[in-house]
Amino acid sequence: KQEVTQIPAALSVPEGENLVLNCSFTDSAIYNLQWFRQDPGKGLTSLLLIQSSQREQTSGRLNASLDKSSGRSTLYIAASQPGDSATYLCAVQYTGGFKTIFGAGTRLFVKA
Amino acid sequence: DAMVIQNPRYQVTQFGKPVTLSCSQTLNHNVMYWYQQKSSQAPKLLFHYYDKDFNNEADTPDNFQSRRPNTSFCFLDIRSPGLGDAAMYLCATSIQVTETQYFGPGTRLLVL
Repeated sequence: KQEVTQIPAALSVPEGENLVLNCSFTDSAIYNLQWFRQDPGKGLTSLLLIQSSQREQTSGRLNASLDKSSGRSTLYIAASQPGDSATYLCAVQYTGGFKTIFGAGTRLFVKA
Repeated sequence: DAMVIQNPRYQVTQFGKPVTLSCSQTLNHNVMYWYQQKSSQAPKLLFHYYDKDFNNEADTPDNFQSRRPNTSFCFLDIRSPGLGDAAMYLCATSIQVTETQYFGPGTRLLVL
C-alpha cells in the first residue's frame, strides 16, 4: 500500500533555529515529491518540487532532499522566522496512474 | 496575476441537496485536480483531468462527479451530500501531470 508519513506531527522552535522536517514514503516508484506550506484555513502554497531523478532542490532558506531508495525526504529550513509558522505537507506522485498522496503534515510554530 | 480561483469560498448546503463547486484557472495548464481535505487530515485526491481525459481515483465515492467544459474551468458536483462530506475542497492545476501543482484557496463546505 502506498503511504506517506510525516514526523513529527507538531514542532515548536525558537526564532533563528535551523530545523528539519521529515517525510517518508512506501514504494519507490515515484515521479516526484513536492513540499507545500498551508496556513490555517487556506490553500496550499508550493515550496519545492523534486523530480525522482534529482537529489535536492533549494529555494532561499529552504532545501529539500530526496532519497528514493530509502523512501525519505527532508525539508531543511534555515534561520527560522515567526512567519514560517504553518503546516508543512509533503506529497508524493506515484507512477502508474499519477496518483498524488499527501502526508498529514507537520505543524510548525516558530516563537519570537 | 495568473492564478487558480475557487468559488465560492464558503458553501453551506443541506443534507441530500446537490451542490456544485467551481474552479477556474488563468495559467492555461493542461491538468486540473480536485482534492478533499477534512479537518487536520491530509488532502485526498478525488480525480484529475488531463485536458478532457477524466481520471477517477478508485476509492472516490460515486456521489462525487466532475466536469471540465473547457481548459479554464472545472466543476465538482456532489449529488447527495452527507454530513461526512463536510470538508475543504481544493482545486489544483499543473502544466503536465508530473510538474508542480498550484492550488486555489479552497472551498469550505458545510452540510447541515
